Amino acid sequence: DQQVKQNSPSLSVQEGRISILNCDYTNSMFDYFLWYKKYPAEGPTFLISISSIKDKNEDGRFTVFLNKSAKHLSLHIVPSQPGDSAVYFCAASAIRGGADGLTFGKGTHLIIQP
Amino acid sequence: DTAVSQTPKYLVTQMGNDKSIKCEQNLGHDTMYWYKQDSKKFLKIMFSYNNKELIINETVPNRFSPKSPDKAHLNLHINSLELGDSAVYFCASRQHGSSNTGELFFGEGSRLTVL
Repeated sequence: DQQVKQNSPSLSVQEGRISILNCDYTNSMFDYFLWYKKYPAEGPTFLISISSIKDKNEDGRFTVFLNKSAKHLSLHIVPSQPGDSAVYFCAASAIRGGADGLTFGKGTHLIIQP
Repeated sequence: DTAVSQTPKYLVTQMGNDKSIKCEQNLGHDTMYWYKQDSKKFLKIMFSYNNKELIINETVPNRFSPKSPDKAHLNLHINSLELGDSAVYFCASRQHGSSNTGELFFGEGSRLTVL
């Protein structure tokens, strides 16, 4: 039973364009959402997060949008750069800062083409 | 200076053997985790320890036993290894408490291959 779903295993975007990665969740108790980026042979690294009380959070080229009624969030990267090529994981937590850990999606492999 | 470090990074062993993966964090966090990423690429939580106390123990076989000698270390011992144990194991840490962002800091992963 996947509580966090990333339905696109891969996404190819041209350099300079906008990359949009999507994530859906089923557990209405989730109140905190995060995006992680992972390069091969490395651990996931935190990218950006959003609390359920907000619908948008921006950090440089990265913006996360949250639609609570649709249980959907998305990560926008603009402009996309070659170094953005990586696997992006969506994650969710039911207790912010709690010891319950994070529930992850399967990831989307983003490929930025020159 | 690595924040969350795991050893070994690669481990190849025979079925039936016992092996351990070590994890240390120097971030001063009080909560540590073990995650497993299997061939389907899912990152699934296995264990969570807060101040050396087991908080989460997902449906993991008894052959897996975490040990936390202090809050900076969380080791994973696996008995009687099976082919299905082949995966990448990630250690992670974070500071418990609602004032924190809730993000996890991950180690580089330990790729276990059981032959």
